Amino acid sequence: DTGVSQDPRHKITKRGQNVTFRCDPISEHNRLYWYRQTLGQGPEFLTYFQNEAQLEKSRLLSDRFSAERPKGSFSTLEIQRTEQGDSAMYLCASSSSYQTGASENTIYFGEGSWLTVV
Amino acid sequence: QKEVEQDPGPLSVPEGAIVSLNCTYSNSAFQYFMWYRQYSRKGPELLMYTYSSGNKEDGRFTAQVDKSSKYISLFIRDSQPSDSATYLCAMSASTGGFKTIFGAGTRLFVKA
Repeated sequence: DTGVSQDPRHKITKRGQNVTFRCDPISEHNRLYWYRQTLGQGPEFLTYFQNEAQLEKSRLLSDRFSAERPKGSFSTLEIQRTEQGDSAMYLCASSSSYQTGASENTIYFGEGSWLTVV
Repeated sequence: QKEVEQDPGPLSVPEGAIVSLNCTYSNSAFQYFMWYRQYSRKGPELLMYTYSSGNKEDGRFTAQVDKSSKYISLFIRDSQPSDSATYLCAMSASTGGFKTIFGAGTRLFVKA
């Protein structure tokens, strides 16, 4: 299976702890996105990479959040000093700028990483 | 006002019914329109993609876009219990999927 892979799938952490999520995009995709989704809501955009460059960050991404994509392949999303409000599903998605039409303009999601802060 | 509005439901229909799901939007710059299906505790999966206005059909699914009314629809014919999921509309003004904006999703239940 060459879909978007996320790890871990579930994480329970105590408030104040740091957590890190990893995303491996579809291998030929150069664009990578992080979204956050809470119950009853659609995914909300957090940040976007093209290759290794982080080109856009949402205002939702506070200073406690940092994302990296050091070699333009996998990405990590770290949340420092977690708060209960950070409890959500963190979705990674990828797409390719080398294709046209539907393949260029749609993003493909992983299964998500569920975070519960207690 | 949110850029994309979608009735959260839930919508409950009997097996075999035609389902109509809808979204409205406010940003006239949107030109790429998608529908995603999301099963419980899973990531969204792409169902339909439409560029600009018009209809697109894929099996039991038909997507419609009316840019003049800022209104998009997804129709599911001969609905099946396996169609029970949350359906998310999504749209973007930019190529490359950048800043795709999602609706809140409509929960659909198809009863056998």
